[in-house]
Amino acid sequence: ILNVEQSPQSLHVQEGDSTNFTCSFPSSNFYALHWYRWETAKSPEALFVMTLNGDEKKKGRISATLNTKEGYSYLYIKGSQPEDSATYLCAFPDNNAGNMLTFGGGTRLMVKP
Amino acid sequence: EAQVTQNPRYLITVTGKKLTVTCSQNMNHEYMSWYRQDPGLGLRQIYYSMNVEVTDKGDVPEGYKVSRKEKRNFPLILESPSPNQTSLYFCASSLGGEYTEAFFGQGTRLTVV
Repeated sequence: ILNVEQSPQSLHVQEGDSTNFTCSFPSSNFYALHWYRWETAKSPEALFVMTLNGDEKKKGRISATLNTKEGYSYLYIKGSQPEDSATYLCAFPDNNAGNMLTFGGGTRLMVKP
Repeated sequence: EAQVTQNPRYLITVTGKKLTVTCSQNMNHEYMSWYRQDPGLGLRQIYYSMNVEVTDKGDVPEGYKVSRKEKRNFPLILESPSPNQTSLYFCASSLGGEYTEAFFGQGTRLTVV
């Protein structure tokens, strides 16, 4: 079983605050790192699939960076809004299991108006 | 509309009564998988399938069966459900490979009493 860890487990911020959280993953045999956003009562939806060391991806106020050599990725949210409240999941494809995704425990973000 | 459809969305059943949760995708995806989500544990993979008639165990397969007779369908079978299988279940599909995002169904909340 791959070790994919996320921190913190939960985070409470005020509307307008910028925030970030971490995903750590095995640095050997790296191919890709996925980020998903999971709102309560909905399905997880893909945010980013990151593949290259030093990669930075952006979608609106959300961006992510990748360091494959040290095995971590950061997700940043600039100027958090209440609609950003969700659980953010990272996932690492397991080469020994048909590249199926191993998920971290998630970071639950709550943005207070 | 591209989607992954799970049924039922909610199910309460009794210990030992066989049940099936259906999953169907309309995107012609090769890969399909089942996950369970429990508080504090994130998404854990139960079974996955890389193609028709090709299935394999994930991290927590005990007590579950699957079949992949057609490309679009991947049902999850609980032959003799037990209370420790009370959980939120997600089906997912993808084109396959580490670079392709997963698409999730709406989730099935199962309670075994």
